[in-house]
Amino acid sequence: DQQVKQNSPSLSVQEGRISILNCDYTNSMFDYFLWYKKYPAEGPTFLISISSIKDKNEDGRFTVFLNKSAKHLSLHIVPSQPGDSAVYFCAACTTSGTYKYIFGTGTRLKVLA
Amino acid sequence: DSGVTQTPKHLITATGQRVTLRCSPRSGDLSVYWYQQSLDQGLQFLIQYYNGEERAKGNILERFSAQQFPDLHSELNLSSLELGDSALYFCASSVQSGQPQHFGDGTRLSIL
Repeated sequence: DQQVKQNSPSLSVQEGRISILNCDYTNSMFDYFLWYKKYPAEGPTFLISISSIKDKNEDGRFTVFLNKSAKHLSLHIVPSQPGDSAVYFCAACTTSGTYKYIFGTGTRLKVLA
Repeated sequence: DSGVTQTPKHLITATGQRVTLRCSPRSGDLSVYWYQQSLDQGLQFLIQYYNGEERAKGNILERFSAQQFPDLHSELNLSSLELGDSALYFCASSVQSGQPQHFGDGTRLSIL
């Protein structure tokens, strides 16, 4: 039972354009969502998070949007840079109880120069 | 540098053996998490410790166990190893539950 899904295994975007990475979840109890970036041979690095009381959170070139009714979140990167090429994971958890983080399977982003 | 240290980086062993993976969390972090990433899979949550006590359990096999010591470092013990246990094992830490986690670079376990 995959509670957090990233349906696009890969995405290619031209440098300078917008990258949009999508994530869907099924558990309505999730109320905290995060995005991580992972380079080869390194551990995931925290990028940005959003609480379910918000529908948008922005940090520099990165913006996360949350649509609770659709159980969907997306990460927008604008403008995309070659250094953004990595695997992006979304994760979700409930902030009451055990805080178990459920990760998606990742989307490999390639930004073309 | 996340501040989370995992050793060893690589481990090659045979089926039926037992191994121990070690994790030193970031300074000041009380929570430690263990994850397994198999080929082309997402990160599967195994177990979480907070200040020495088990806090949450995920899809951890009975052949696997973990503990967090008084100095807050953690060890993941994998026994009776099978070919399917070959994976990347990540440790992460956070100040407390519900905060973003900081990951180590992982231990790559290969079972021959």
